[in-house]
Parts: sequence; C-alpha cells; structure tokens
Amino acid sequence: QVQLQQWGAGLLKPSETLSLTCAVYGGSFSGYYWSWIRQPPGKGLEWIGEINHSGSTNYNPSLKSRVTISVDTSKNQFSLKLSSVTAADTAVYYCARVAEAAAAGWYMDVWGKGTTVTVSS
Amino acid sequence: DIQMTQSPSSVSASVGDRVTITCRASQGISSWLAWYQQKPGKAPKLLIYAASSLQSGVPSRFSGSGSGTDFTLTISSLQPEDFATYYCQQANSFPRTFGPGTKVDIK
Repeated sequence: QVQLQQWGAGLLKPSETLSLTCAVYGGSFSGYYWSWIRQPPGKGLEWIGEINHSGSTNYNPSLKSRVTISVDTSKNQFSLKLSSVTAADTAVYYCARVAEAAAAGWYMDVWGKGTTVTVSS
Repeated sequence: DIQMTQSPSSVSASVGDRVTITCRASQGISSWLAWYQQKPGKAPKLLIYAASSLQSGVPSRFSGSGSGTDFTLTISSLQPEDFATYYCQQANSFPRTFGPGTKVDIK
C-alpha cells in the first residue's frame, strides 16, 4: 500500500521561499509522475506541477516563474520550492502520485495528508 | 488553459437519494476526466478516472459518464459517508485543471 508522507515549514513571511518534501513509501517510484496541488482556505484545488523519476517536469504556467520541483530517487522523495511567497500562497499543499490509466490519461490516485502553509508578516 | 465548470455548486439531499453532478470543459477533452471526493480536513480521493472507470475500492453506487465537453457523476443511493465536496479534473492537457467543486450536504 503506497503512502505519501509530506513535511515542511508551516509559517512563512512574505518574500520567503516555501519548501516542502514528500516521501513515497511502499511502492515503486518509477513509472509515475509525482505532483503538488494546493488548496487555499475555503477554496478549490490548484495544480502546481509534477515530476517523474528521471526529473522531467510539468508546471502550471501561472506559477512557473516561482516553482521548482525536484526529485531524489535515492530516497524516493520529491520536493517543492515556491519562491517569493505572498499571502495569496497561503494554502494546504498536497503531494500526490499521478498514475497512467492504460492510455486513458494520468490521474492522481494516491494523496498525502496535506501541509498547511501560512504566509504572514 | 481548459476551464472546468460544475453544476450545481451545492446540493442538499437525503440518504437514499440519487444525486447527479455535472461537469463541463471549455473544450473537448475526450474521456480524460476524473472525479474526486473531498471531506473536510482531508485530502481528495480519486473516485472515477477516464470519465467512467471506477477506482479500485470505490463503491459501485458511484458512476461516471460523458465524453467531449460534458460529463456527469452519479451517486445512485446517497449514503451518510457520501456527504462531501466533489471535484472534476481534466487530464487532457497541461495545466491540469479542476472544477470549482460541488458540495453535497444533508437535507
């Protein structure tokens, strides 16, 4: 049973860099994409980006200039960095596994529990 | 970006009711659509992928249909544990985008 465990700083000041890591336990790291999604308080879900085991990335253009997603295959971990944060980046951040459904698209089938990140001066 | 809309934004229903939620994409996405369920304080859970395929472990009262731009999620007989918010998500192109959600609450 694959599990994702995520961690990182929960309180940031404006202009700082958000840094989160997600570890994958109990399953293969290759053959999937690994994604970050966020959810501002009381709002919907926003896809941030994703990476595969070889480091190939896809980013949301709305955040691309500030986002870096990286992978450490030796530890089965992937990480998110979001620079120059503002209050608008306050959200619950989720990591998720993205699996291919037999040539019918890629879907987020396993999720971490989420990390609440607050940006406040 | 492909914009996803959902209707209704909320629905009040009783246990045993049949509930249908609609999702529309701003352009054709074939069958590359997922439905997720989210309960308060919890991560989303994948229910349906490829528009109509039931994710392993998900009860058969959940079903999905549609292709192109119009999709539906149906709960055939609402159970107490189904009260939650439901999101659709397109997997056709980047960036991956979600609908705004439909909250199903108790009548």
